[in-house]
Amino acid sequence: YELTQPPSVSVSPGQTARITCSADGLPNQYVHWYQQKPGQAPVLVMYQDSRRPSGTPERFSGSSSGATVTLTIGGVQAEDEADYYCQSLDRTGSFVIFGGGTKLTVL
Amino acid sequence: QIALNESGPTLVKPTQTLTLTCTFSGFSLSTSGVGVGWIRQPPGKALECLALIYWDDDKHYSPSLKSRLTITKVTSRNQVVLSLANADPVDTATYYCAHTSSGKLYWFDPWGQGIPVTVSS
Repeated sequence: YELTQPPSVSVSPGQTARITCSADGLPNQYVHWYQQKPGQAPVLVMYQDSRRPSGTPERFSGSSSGATVTLTIGGVQAEDEADYYCQSLDRTGSFVIFGGGTKLTVL
Repeated sequence: QIALNESGPTLVKPTQTLTLTCTFSGFSLSTSGVGVGWIRQPPGKALECLALIYWDDDKHYSPSLKSRLTITKVTSRNQVVLSLANADPVDTATYYCAHTSSGKLYWFDPWGQGIPVTVSS
């Protein structure tokens, strides 16, 4: 059981980036998202699928449809270039797992 | 303001026990709903959650590493200690501790800056 993310997503500045997180039979658990820039610790940018922490820019949004949760960044800026990881629970619902990460490149 | 800081050895020999300490401020592990997790990241690879401990001393371990991990809290010192027995070169990674609240097995926010650990003879 694992969370699957695309290895990479590339967009031009001002465009919309969509990063997906999916799993076979996602156990109806919330997904949370982290942004990690090179040499830095991860930072929470979305929790419980679509809730934005204070400090996360409004251009970040989250949605869920079936077994896929999507992090959307509208009007991407150069500073959004980073690795993004989704997090949820394992199949038993008793431990935390992370997706493999998606590298967002701003062209 | 919540802050966490990881400390411990940055070089460990194979078969030794790796012991890391997370010292935090801005919250108490005696407060209901609060927890601390340890997460690691091998160079160039994804995040992996290792263990979590909560205010009520409930502990959760990675199923694949459970036999090698021990997590404890020292509430009076605002510290959480993680031990990983029988270290192996594949355990080389940056180790992070992170705050969690609002329930068990929820999101981590914020994280410490991480400590890079190399396992090598």
